Amino acid sequence: GDSVTQMEGPVTLSEEAFLTINCTYTATGYPSLFWYVQYPGEGLQLLLKATKADDKGSNKGFEATYRKETTSFHLEKGSVQVSDSAVYFCALSDQGGNQFYFGTGTSLTVIP
Amino acid sequence: DAGVIQSPRHEVTEMGQEVTLRCKPISGHNSLFWYRQTMMRGLELLIYFNNNVPIDDSGMPEDRFSAKMPNASFSTLKIQPSEPRDSAVYFCASSYGGQLSNQPQHFGDGTRLSIL
Repeated sequence: GDSVTQMEGPVTLSEEAFLTINCTYTATGYPSLFWYVQYPGEGLQLLLKATKADDKGSNKGFEATYRKETTSFHLEKGSVQVSDSAVYFCALSDQGGNQFYFGTGTSLTVIP
Repeated sequence: DAGVIQSPRHEVTEMGQEVTLRCKPISGHNSLFWYRQTMMRGLELLIYFNNNVPIDDSGMPEDRFSAKMPNASFSTLKIQPSEPRDSAVYFCASSYGGQLSNQPQHFGDGTRLSIL
């Protein structure tokens, strides 16, 4: 069945460092891919999405490109800030839109 | 626009008591999801409704858990009797599903449940 695998955390970076959180997926057909962010004490919020191969989702300086050849959707940011400290979830919606799969989450801590 | 609304935000009760969590999805959304989040297990899908009908309840832990969606604007998740291991944050999410697979889920702020 469909699934999402994302890199284990926790990840700790210094402010202004480059961030990559890896996400790979298994799916039949053409799923849509998402990154969600969860700040402490809050629910998950959509960060960005991509709905077809080679699409790039971007928001708040974060980017991720839908790579069908490598079945990946890695999250990147060129210069992280302390306020980016949160848990990041990769997610997939199957082609029919009837099933949603979340990764296990990657905790990011950015230190000044 | 109002997002997904959950109530209560916090619930503390003694084991054996009945607990009812409530959710109002975003108007126009036809899919509703209940999740449980703990440090040990992360985010777990409990049950998923589409057009008010339960589609997948394979994540419901046991018979003590039940969920209903009597109409498109309201859902409940009930635990009876509650146990300390049910302590977690429970999230409700909604989306417009079906053929539009590019629609994301929108989450409520969650209910933090503590069973003593």
